[in-house]
Amino acid sequence: DTGVSQDPRHKITKRGQNVTFRCDPISEHNRLYWYRQTLGQGPEFLTYFQNEAQLEKSRLLSDRFSAERPKGSFSTLEIQRTEQGDSAMYLCASSYPASGRNSYNEQFFGPGTRLTVL
Amino acid sequence: GNSVTQMEGPVTLSEEAFLTINCTYTATGYPSLFWYVQYPGEGLQLLLKATKADDKGSNKGFEATYRKETTSFHLEKGSVQVSDSAVYFCALTHNNAGNMLTFGGGTRLMVKP
Repeated sequence: DTGVSQDPRHKITKRGQNVTFRCDPISEHNRLYWYRQTLGQGPEFLTYFQNEAQLEKSRLLSDRFSAERPKGSFSTLEIQRTEQGDSAMYLCASSYPASGRNSYNEQFFGPGTRLTVL
Repeated sequence: GNSVTQMEGPVTLSEEAFLTINCTYTATGYPSLFWYVQYPGEGLQLLLKATKADDKGSNKGFEATYRKETTSFHLEKGSVQVSDSAVYFCALTHNNAGNMLTFGGGTRLMVKP
């Protein structure tokens, strides 16, 4: 399977603990996105990378959240001192290299990591 | 800012019924519009897209037309199947450098045999 993969698929943690999620994009994709989806809502953009550079972060990404893509391949999303409000599905997506400022390349989504904070 | 509003679900239909899921958007300029589908236990998949006014996106019998005058992108299918049961998300992006997606809240479709 050469799609976007995410690990773990489910994570249950206690409030105050740190958690880290991993996303492996489709290998030739240079863009990688993180979204968060709460129950009954649509996904909300968190941040994105082009290669290893983190180019934009949403206001939703508080100081407790940090994302990295050190070698321009896989990415990690860490949440420190988790709160119950962090419970959500965390989605990763990747896309082909951008061919120009006004081009759009389809984002391919992974299955998500469901986080439950007790 | 950008926003997408879609009809709340669940929408329950019998097999072979006609489907419409309404979607309207708020955005400056000329966004690109999308419908994504999430089947049970699976990740989001792009269903169809339209990148400029009056374009019609189509796939798997589903269609949606980009209507700039009404800022709408309603999803339609003439005859739904049980296998179409899923959650459908309307979304937009501005074709800017980041191409981040702004999603609506999703509409759950349940098709009964």
